[in-house]
Order: sequence, then structure tokens, then C-alpha cells
Amino acid sequence: QQPVQSPQAVILREGEDAVINCSSSKALYSVHWYRQKHGEAPVFLMILLKGGEQKGHEKISASFNEKKQQSSLYLTASQLSYSGTYFCGTHREGSQGNLIFGKGTKLSVKP
Amino acid sequence: KAGVTQTPRYLIKTRGQQVTLSCSPISGHRSVSWYQQTPGQGLQFLFEYFSETQRNKGNFPGRFSGRQFSNSRSEMNVSTLELGDSALYLCASSEQAGGTYNEQFFGPGTRLTVL
Repeated sequence: QQPVQSPQAVILREGEDAVINCSSSKALYSVHWYRQKHGEAPVFLMILLKGGEQKGHEKISASFNEKKQQSSLYLTASQLSYSGTYFCGTHREGSQGNLIFGKGTKLSVKP
Repeated sequence: KAGVTQTPRYLIKTRGQQVTLSCSPISGHRSVSWYQQTPGQGLQFLFEYFSETQRNKGNFPGRFSGRQFSNSRSEMNVSTLELGDSALYLCASSEQAGGTYNEQFFGPGTRLTVL
């Protein structure tokens, strides 16, 4: 049930782009993205709902392919502040349950 | 508004002991969820409380329990501690239950070390 994130880790130079993917084997209703910097609490980035509705920070871009049960987070023109571990959390369609988080993708942005 | 607070921030216990962790949600938030975070495993859901009722429970043994008070503050208890219980325990609050369309606000966590 745990979504699979890829890649597990990525190293970028400032200004480069990255895509982080989140895949589930189950039909999803929503996908949530969080970023956790080292030693800090996870911070909300975005929620994507089945049907196209999104809620989140304007500077963050993401997509949700309902048919493939996949979501992608797009980080463009990366900055040093983007470094951290990115987690996706999925909410299954028809479920009244909780979010299930993936194992995370560690992003390191170098100067 | 003040953020989510967790106490204590650090704990060291020995095997067999029990421990109680506390979480105070953001004012007005009625849902509190607890997660266990260990290296490489991401955030493992423990349970969620909403209006003093356990709404969901993750796949953890019965040694892990929790409760929520009328002021929405929540406590988590782990009895008969095992070495594998060493982890960062995070709580998160949100306005509504379920989290389908609600962002969660995480606390700084309690780092539990079991010796």
C-alpha cells in the first residue's frame, strides 16, 4: 500500500531542474507532498485531488495522473533552499483512512 | 497562531520501560495524527484522533496507544519498550479529520532512544 517514490536521492546544481515521482498500486483520491529539511518537521507543499483540484504553494508545480495512480513534483531552477527530503502521501479512493507516506526522496542542491 | 508543540523533545529509555509523549495541536485543530519516522522508512502512520475518538489506526502492535483530551491535546504511550522503538515520533494536526483535503501541520517531534 505504501506509495513508491523515485528517485530515492538526487543531487542537483543550483538552477537545475528535477522531477520526483510517486506511484501507487491502488486507485487514489488525493496525493499530498511534504518537504522535510534536516532536523526539522515536514512542511506541507501541495495537495492534488482526483478531478484536477489543487491546493498548495504557488511556486510548487505538480501533476496527478489518475489513470496511472501517479503524481510528479516538478522542481525548476532549483535553489539551495530546496534541499531536503520530499515525501508523498496518498489517500486511496473510497477510503476513510489516513494518508500513507512513501519512503521519501532526498534532494541535495549544491552551489 | 502557535505551531504544533511536542514534549519532551528528547527521551532516553531502557528496554521494558514505558513512555508517554505529548502533543499540543494548533489552536482550533481537532485532528491529531501520530507518525513514527525511522531512517529509510519514511513516515509510518500510528493513529489519528479526532474529537477525542480514535479514527484510524496503523499497523503497530498494541503496545502503542494514544488518547486525545477535550482540548484536543493528545498523548501517545508506548509500553514495554523495545530497541526497535527508537525513532522520531511526529505528531501532526489539521482542522478536519481524514486528511483528504487538509494539510497537516507537523510538530518538531520527540526523539526516543531505547537502550
